[in-house]
Amino acid sequence: EDQVTQSPEALRLQEGESSSLNCSYTVSGLRGLFWYRQDPGKGPEFLFTLYSAGEEKEKERLKATLTKKESFLHITAPKPEDSATYLCAVPPRGGATNKLIFGTGTLLAVQP
Amino acid sequence: KAGVTQTPRYLIKTRGQQVTLSCSPISGHRSVSWYQQTPGQGLQFLFEYFSETQRNKGNFPGRFSGRQFSNSRSEMNVSTLELGDSALYLCASKYSDRVYNEQFFGPGTRLTVL
Repeated sequence: EDQVTQSPEALRLQEGESSSLNCSYTVSGLRGLFWYRQDPGKGPEFLFTLYSAGEEKEKERLKATLTKKESFLHITAPKPEDSATYLCAVPPRGGATNKLIFGTGTLLAVQP
Repeated sequence: KAGVTQTPRYLIKTRGQQVTLSCSPISGHRSVSWYQQTPGQGLQFLFEYFSETQRNKGNFPGRFSGRQFSNSRSEMNVSTLELGDSALYLCASKYSDRVYNEQFFGPGTRLTVL
C-alpha cells in the first residue's frame, strides 16, 4: 500500500536552532514529492516539488532534499514565523491522477 | 492572480441535513480535487475532476458526491450528515493533468455537524 510517514510528529525549536523534518514513502516509481506548509485554520501552502533522487530545492531558510526512500526538510536558523505544520505528499503509483497521499505532518513550534 | 476560493468558509449543520460546498479554482486551472482534513486522519482524498469528468474517488461513502462545471468551478455535496463529517474540507486546483505539477489549495470550508 502506498504510504507516507512523517517524523517527528511535533518539534519545538529555539529561534536560530536548525533541524530537519523527515518524510518517508513507500510508493514505487515515485512521480514527484511535494512539501506544503499549513498554518492553523488555513489551507496548505505549496513550498516545493522534488522530482528525482538527489534533487535539492531551497527557499529562504528551508531546503528540501530527496533520496530514493525519503525526503528531508532542513530548516536553518528558524524564526518564530516558521512555526506551522509541514506536510509532505506523493501521488499514488501509476495511473492518470491528481490525487495526493499526505503524511500526517510535523507540527513545528519556534520559540523566540 | 486570485487564488483558490471556497465558500462558505464556515458552516454549522445538524445530523441528517445535507450540505453543498463550492470551490472556484485559479483562473485557467482545469483540475479540481477535494480533501477532507480531520485531526485524527489528516488529509484524505475525496475525489478529483478534470474537464468536468470525475477521474478518481477516495474511500468515502456514497453520501459524498461532487461535480465540476464547464467554467471549472466545482461543488461537493454531503447528504445525510453525520457527526463524523465534521472537518475542514479543502479544495485544490491545478493547471494541467501532469502529475508533477503542483496543486494550490483554498482556505477550506470548516463544517461542524451537531
